[in-house]
Amino acid sequence: DSGVTQTPKHLITATGQRVTLRCSPRSGDLSVYWYQQSLDQGLQFLIQYYNGEERAKGNILERFSAQQFPDLHSELNLSSLELGDSALYFCASSGGQGGQPQHFGDGTRLSIL
Amino acid sequence: KNEVEQSPQNLTAQEGEFITINCSYSVGISALHWLQQHPGGGIVSLFMLSSGKKKHGRLIATINIQEKHSSLHITASHPRDSAVYICAVYSGTYKYIFGTGTRLKVLA
Repeated sequence: DSGVTQTPKHLITATGQRVTLRCSPRSGDLSVYWYQQSLDQGLQFLIQYYNGEERAKGNILERFSAQQFPDLHSELNLSSLELGDSALYFCASSGGQGGQPQHFGDGTRLSIL
Repeated sequence: KNEVEQSPQNLTAQEGEFITINCSYSVGISALHWLQQHPGGGIVSLFMLSSGKKKHGRLIATINIQEKHSSLHITASHPRDSAVYICAVYSGTYKYIFGTGTRLKVLA
């Protein structure tokens, strides 16, 4: 058990909708990372937060946003969903802020119909 | 060309075989991470190494910094080892690059 909790495990929605994915990091970890894994692109880094502040940004679309709350949990908001957003979204955490994830969650599988 | 390349992309082995998965990278790194992704999707961290060799059970990971190459070995493979194995490198602050993965299937 990595200690990273992601909810929900599965999400099915329609194009144009908005969803929120949630991640609770391993106890004591201050950094949260979000990744997208689609069939044709492998794992892609989206964004990192450290202790509530954005630290690094990857290939995150403008339709996507994230935040990390004072209790260190993080939410990834995806809006105006398109078919191509169907993917596994992973959250990871680490103690430091340097950009190296250590503990991964089980992912949220998002299916857009 | 990807900065992190893995070989082979797909591998089928018989139970009991010794398995090697390779990872080559073209950037300077401070650490390399081996990850395992099971069919259900969850990712498990296997090893993080910056030099030498690490062993955990039947898994062994080695890295050669000069040659920019790492290997993951599985001894006495078992069907439960079937998974995708992903190499990722930490190439400086906030730069973490994934390889494309090696899909391993171990047959009973």
